[in-house]
Amino acid sequence: AQSVTQLGSHVSVSEGALVLLRCNYSSSVPPYLFWYVQYPNQGLQLLLKYTSAATLVKGINGFEAEFKKSETSFHLTKPSAHMSDAAEYFCAVSENAGKSTFGDGTTLTVKP
Amino acid sequence: DTAVSQTPKYLVTQMGNDKSIKCEQNLGHDTMYWYKQDSKKFLKIMFSYNNKELIINETVPNRFSPKSPDKAHLNLHINSLELGDSAVYFCASRSSGRNTGELFFGEGSRLTVL
Repeated sequence: AQSVTQLGSHVSVSEGALVLLRCNYSSSVPPYLFWYVQYPNQGLQLLLKYTSAATLVKGINGFEAEFKKSETSFHLTKPSAHMSDAAEYFCAVSENAGKSTFGDGTTLTVKP
Repeated sequence: DTAVSQTPKYLVTQMGNDKSIKCEQNLGHDTMYWYKQDSKKFLKIMFSYNNKELIINETVPNRFSPKSPDKAHLNLHINSLELGDSAVYFCASRSSGRNTGELFFGEGSRLTVL
């Protein structure tokens, strides 16, 4: 069975600081991994995805994530936070691309 | 053009009523989903249809009945609404042919049961 754990339901950073959102997964087969972002009163949109190609994945808005099989992790980072990055972030895993299981989400707050 | 569109965006109703939410996608995808997001922002899958056939049904009360008239549409009908049904319901779609599992979401339908 597949599962996702996002460590830290709330993360607060200062504008310009490093953003690190943590995600660990459990999967019985090589997984597909995703990060989605949800802005207030909107649906989720894909930030980036890992599909067994390069382990370092670059996404939109300057975000990237690294797949580490040995640590079963797929942490999301951005070198310098912008105010516009404030949102809810979801990590998701899909074993057979048919069903995605989402983590509980991390609320990112960016302080001026 | 909106890729995945849901109507209505907001729905306020009394307990015991029946309501429907409609979803349409113009992406040419063959698989569609309903997700429920509760007040804590937790996302749970409810149903999935592939080419009008139900493939995922996640222990949802049978008061919830999805219907897919064609692969571009997936509607959700809810009977005898309860307070606990208050949530944001998201429709999503993907292409099974691409096999990467990336989901495209609608903007959500916020249901409030009074």
